[in-house]
Amino acid sequence: GNSVTQMEGPVTLSEEAFLTINCTYTATGYPSLFWYVQYPGEGLQLLLKATKADDKGSNKGFEATYRKETTSFHLEKGSVQVSDSAVYFCALSDRGLGTSGSRLTFGEGTQLTVNP
Amino acid sequence: GAVVSQHPSRVICKSGTSVKIECRSLDFQATTMFWYRQFPKQSLMLMATSNEGSKATYEQGVEKDKFLINHASLTLSTLTVTSAHPEDSSFYICSARARGWSGNTIYFGEGSWLTVV
Repeated sequence: GNSVTQMEGPVTLSEEAFLTINCTYTATGYPSLFWYVQYPGEGLQLLLKATKADDKGSNKGFEATYRKETTSFHLEKGSVQVSDSAVYFCALSDRGLGTSGSRLTFGEGTQLTVNP
Repeated sequence: GAVVSQHPSRVICKSGTSVKIECRSLDFQATTMFWYRQFPKQSLMLMATSNEGSKATYEQGVEKDKFLINHASLTLSTLTVTSAHPEDSSFYICSARARGWSGNTIYFGEGSWLTVV
């Protein structure tokens, strides 16, 4: 079956540091890949996505590239801010997100804390 | 602002009692909602898919008689944990599918922490 493995947290960084959160996956076929973010007291929000190999998703300074050869979708940001403190979830869907029968498989989540 | 609202955000109940968690879509109609559960330091696991007006589809290993799901309207799905036990203590989160002109989008609720004592 499908699975997602995320870098264990928690991760603590100073403001303006470089961030990498590793994510690797196992899936049949050609899944779509996602990063979700959950800020304290809020629901999960889609941060970025990539639907095919070599696609790069980006949003709010975050980037992740769909690497089929390494089955990875690592999240990166060049300079983190205190407001980026949240839990980040890597996820995959084995068919178009939102289409009938689509299911999201999540990683364990990585807690990021950014100190000023 | 939130487009999917869950209530309660935290609940403590006694072992053997039942507890209901609501998931509401705000500003849109959701024909399909999803319920997830997350144990500490583990992934969100899909429990069931809830379709308005029909029975929920449960994932393998999820007891449908213990986790009752009702999706009686296009904006509300409820999850009732019956005869709760301490091992049911977990984080429960719902999501709802919104159909739009440019495609479908999944929105998540804030989640509900259940503690069974």
